[in-house]
Amino acid sequence: EADIYQTPRYLVIGTGKKITLECSQTMGHDKMYWYQQDPGMELHLIHYSYGVNSTEKGDLSSESTVSRIRTEHFPLTLESARPSHTSQYLCASRGDAGYRANVLTFGAGSRLTVL
Amino acid sequence: ELKVEQNPLFLSMQEGKNYTIYCNYSTTSDRLYWYRQDPGKSLESLFVLLSNGAVKQEGRLMASLDTKARLSTLHITAAVHDLSATYFCAVGRWDTDKLIFGTGTRLQVFP
Repeated sequence: EADIYQTPRYLVIGTGKKITLECSQTMGHDKMYWYQQDPGMELHLIHYSYGVNSTEKGDLSSESTVSRIRTEHFPLTLESARPSHTSQYLCASRGDAGYRANVLTFGAGSRLTVL
Repeated sequence: ELKVEQNPLFLSMQEGKNYTIYCNYSTTSDRLYWYRQDPGKSLESLFVLLSNGAVKQEGRLMASLDTKARLSTLHITAAVHDLSATYFCAVGRWDTDKLIFGTGTRLQVFP
């Protein structure tokens, strides 16, 4: 019963196109994250946010950018997609207080293929 | 720099058998998570371990944490096919607010 939604689930696109992966959560969480995962591999943090107007780069360098204009929305944008961007992108969020602060909830993921 | 290692990377086991997956991490941490991922799917939270000696169990899975050894284990009891998935441990710290994932252990349970 995850309350974090990602669209599109699957996207196949040509090189040079601009794409935006959407992530929305209805839990009022301040902290949101983007992870990149190649098939069968570990997850790498590429962006995170502590709240509105806060964005930070993660441990893995990425050509993507993010924005956080509203608490519930954390979109990721690639200005010019390349085949090396082909991967699965997972959005996650967590709360600030109590037990829920310790649980990172993931969206279903967006699988991007760049031809 | 916080690093997280899991072993084995791949585990093929027969139904009914027991096995343990290990998760080692390199620096002190406040919390450790275990997640399950089915092929092509997102991650499902299994356990959150917050203190030394913590043990949690759900069905045939039991997770434990030894913060002094910087080691967590995920023990599988009497495996069944439905447990086939990739299992990730992840380690976090409040001060950095990041969660670092291990390499994952791909588990296959066969009859």
